[in-house]
Amino acid sequence: ENVLTQSPGTLSLSPGERATLSCRASQTISSSSLAWYQQKPGQAPRLLIYGASSRATGIPDRFSGSGSGTDFTLTIGSLEPEDFAVYYCQQYGRSPTFGQGTRLEIK
Amino acid sequence: QVQLVQSGAEVKKPGASVKVSCKASGYTFRRYGINWVRQAPGQGLEWMGWINPYNGYSSYAQQIQGRLTMTTDTSTSTAYMELSSLRSDDTAVYFCGRDANALTDVPQSVDYWGPGTLVTVSS
Repeated sequence: ENVLTQSPGTLSLSPGERATLSCRASQTISSSSLAWYQQKPGQAPRLLIYGASSRATGIPDRFSGSGSGTDFTLTIGSLEPEDFAVYYCQQYGRSPTFGQGTRLEIK
Repeated sequence: QVQLVQSGAEVKKPGASVKVSCKASGYTFRRYGINWVRQAPGQGLEWMGWINPYNGYSSYAQQIQGRLTMTTDTSTSTAYMELSSLRSDDTAVYFCGRDANALTDVPQSVDYWGPGTLVTVSS
């Protein structure tokens, strides 16, 4: 199983600041099959990024993804109030797995 | 518009089985795989399995294989997830989600999600 470890567990920032979230895999992720999701309480996840760096339909350009191999990053350029949520990375393909999540909270 | 509508909440006793449905609309059902993901209360997301409605091929997470059966009914554009031998730690919200890419042979990222179905396992 490809274990994904997200850091930090909780990130406390203010609106307008830049957020950098990390996702590290225990095995190389082929074809950059790495996605990022945002989840708010009581809601289903929302796809932000797929293929490590491609924004999903309707996702603002303040969200960007980067990385390859085993190390991936989600960057939120300037935080809006609606961005405070839990973020998950997922590797997909033969045996998908999710990271444990990063909670982005208002400082 | 793409929509996934799931069946209602369930309460089951330990050892029983539960079957959750996911009815799709707004796209050609057979072209996109369906993933099942669950989330225990206050916990993270867990990928359970995937089924390809085009050919019926499915894959399951190793830790749940043997208790999980996924099926589809292409005549009604509905996917089903059945979990047997329920335990208290199966209490969770169960989500179905559509693959972001069509006609693939492995699970993809999920671009459309159902609202979730709460399954509570309690004696």
